[in-house]
Amino acid sequence: QKEVEQNSGPLSVPEGAIASLNCTYSDRGSQSFFWYRQYSGKSPELIMSIYSNGDKEDGRFTAQLNKASQYVSLLIRDSQPSDSATYLCAVSLLGRGYSTLTFGKGTMLLVSP
Amino acid sequence: EAQVTQNPRYLITVTGKKLTVTCSQNMNHEYMSWYRQDPGLGLRQIYYSMNVEVTDKGDVPEGYKVSRKEKRNFPLILESPSPNQTSLYFCASSLSKGNEQFFGPGTRLTVL
Repeated sequence: QKEVEQNSGPLSVPEGAIASLNCTYSDRGSQSFFWYRQYSGKSPELIMSIYSNGDKEDGRFTAQLNKASQYVSLLIRDSQPSDSATYLCAVSLLGRGYSTLTFGKGTMLLVSP
Repeated sequence: EAQVTQNPRYLITVTGKKLTVTCSQNMNHEYMSWYRQDPGLGLRQIYYSMNVEVTDKGDVPEGYKVSRKEKRNFPLILESPSPNQTSLYFCASSLSKGNEQFFGPGTRLTVL
């Protein structure tokens, strides 16, 4: 059974701080990793994708992947109140003739002014 | 504008009355997928399609059907809806398998 685990939170940080969101996954064959942001009642919005070990930076966001530890993280620098949302980690498993995407249950982030 | 559209956005129906939720994308994406989202359970994949006439089950396919007759459309069919299918449904598409998926706005379904 594929599993993606996230701390449900809420994770509370003050405005301007760094928010660190973590995710672990169970299937070593996983190949693609994504972070989505979801505001209440809205659809998930892609923030970052990462496919190989290491760091990937995009503006205030940095995704980190460690396949040996089966661990993905998202750092948000200079957090803003508008970053308050639920962050979903998603892991893709590909094979010949199949392709599935499994989501964690999400971590709620609260950024206080 | 590149987008995934779903219709209807809200639907209240009764047990056993067949319904279809449509999904369409204008990005020429090969891969399309349906998810349901429930409190405490997160997003779960129902069915996916890697191309026209190619569909496969996700994690929670029971009670649902899909078809992919055209590349742009991927309807979700509930032939005999039950109250446990009350949920928020999302359609998503990606260029090909393993790529980033882009989500539609969601359909909130209530089955009485």
